[in-house]
Amino acid sequence: QQQVKQSPQSLIVQKGGISIINCAYENTAFDYFPWYQQFPGKGPALLIAIRPDVSEKKEGRFTISFNKSAKQFSLHIMDSQPGDSATYFCAARKSGTASKLTFGTGTRLQVTL
Amino acid sequence: EAQVTQNPRYLITVTGKKLTVTCSQNMNHEYMSWYRQDPGLGLRQIYYSMNVEVTDKGDVPEGYKVSRKEKRNFPLILESPSPNQTSLYFCASSNKTGTGVVELFFGEGSRLTVL
Repeated sequence: QQQVKQSPQSLIVQKGGISIINCAYENTAFDYFPWYQQFPGKGPALLIAIRPDVSEKKEGRFTISFNKSAKQFSLHIMDSQPGDSATYFCAARKSGTASKLTFGTGTRLQVTL
Repeated sequence: EAQVTQNPRYLITVTGKKLTVTCSQNMNHEYMSWYRQDPGLGLRQIYYSMNVEVTDKGDVPEGYKVSRKEKRNFPLILESPSPNQTSLYFCASSNKTGTGVVELFFGEGSRLTVL
C-alpha cells in the first residue's frame, strides 16, 4: 500500500502563479519529510526538507507547510517559473531507518508562459 | 565532481537473459540504494545497503539481487529478467546512516526494456 499519498498527479500553473502539491501519510513513526525535484532525463535531487517539530520551512520561493495533527505536508512554489517545470516527489523517513526514504507517486508540474 | 554513476543508461534485452546494472559513487558514502520509477507509482525501493557486506530488501525486491563488496559499488543484478521489470532504475547514495537530515544523491538513471 502507498504509505505516502501525493496529489495532484499533474499540475499546470501560469508563470508567476503559486504551485501547490500535497502529501499525506499514515505512519506516525515518520520523522523526516523531504521533497525531491526531478528534471527530464535526470535523477531526483533534494529540494527542501522539514522535520515534524516545525510547521513551516522556507527556502527562497519554495516553502514546506507541515500539519502534524492532520498528517499532511505540502510544497508551495511561489512566483512559479518555467524553469520550475519538473516532477516533484514528496518522501518520508521512518524514525531509526537512517536514509531509507518512502516516496510519493510524484507530481508533474508544468509552468506555462 | 561528486557523483553517482550508473551503467548502462539504456538497455534493451530479452526475457531470461541475465544482466547487471552497475552503480558507483565517489563520495565515500556508506548508504546506497536502488529504486525503480514507474508511471503512477513513483519511486519504489528495491534493495539498500548500510555498508559493505550489509544489504537488505526494500519494498519491491522480487526478481533482483544486489551485492556490496566495496564501499563505492552497488550493482543491481537481474538473474532472469521479465517484461514486468521494464522500468527506469535509479541508484542513490547518502552519507547518513543515523538520524538527522538525509540527502540522497541519485544517478541519472538506467532505462531498461525487457522484451
